[in-house]
Amino acid sequence: EAQVTQNPRYLITVTGKKLTVTCSQNMNHEYMSWYRQDPGLGLRQIYYSMNVEVTDKGDVPEGYKVSRKEKRNFPLILESPSPNQTSLYFCASSLRETQYFGPGTRLLVL
Amino acid sequence: GQQVMQIPQYQHVQEGEDFTTYCNSSTTLSNIQWYKQRPGGHPVFLIQLVKSGEVKKQKRLTFQFGEAKKNSSLHITATQTTDVGTYFCAGNFGNEKLTFGTGTRLTIIP
Repeated sequence: EAQVTQNPRYLITVTGKKLTVTCSQNMNHEYMSWYRQDPGLGLRQIYYSMNVEVTDKGDVPEGYKVSRKEKRNFPLILESPSPNQTSLYFCASSLRETQYFGPGTRLLVL
Repeated sequence: GQQVMQIPQYQHVQEGEDFTTYCNSSTTLSNIQWYKQRPGGHPVFLIQLVKSGEVKKQKRLTFQFGEAKKNSSLHITATQTTDVGTYFCAGNFGNEKLTFGTGTRLTIIP
């Protein structure tokens, strides 16, 4: 089944404790992206990647890192999480115009 | 910065009534996409509009792209309970980033 998977789905952590949210797609898509969703703000793009080893900043990249060493994986790294990074995170991949979103990761930073 | 404004933020309609959500950009868009997110779910791609003045239909849903490629609308005829969710537009300004509107949450009164 064609899908985008994210792990973990839920995470509670404390300020400053490094964490990684994994994202994987099995559709051989070149384009992958990370978004955060906050009430009243819609979806805001954090980072995107056009292909392996090619990444670029979205609208809200501060406090996040990404890597794209393989086509299928696009992890999101929070080196030192802060409470303002509490949010719902979505990974997405696309071949052309259709973006396929993962199920989301709900993060709470205390 | 490049923004996509979306109105209304909320819409409550009686089942069977029509519904419309609007998106507006201050600068010309390359294309615009529409997504639907069910409560507790992830965004699901509905359609992409590329051409000036383009109109596309999917059953009871009608999507329009303005002549100046700065605005777009989604109209649902005779809403049903399955239409409940948040509808997002997402604009592309000619780069590889997608800028989402803040969404319109549709609730249906049976």
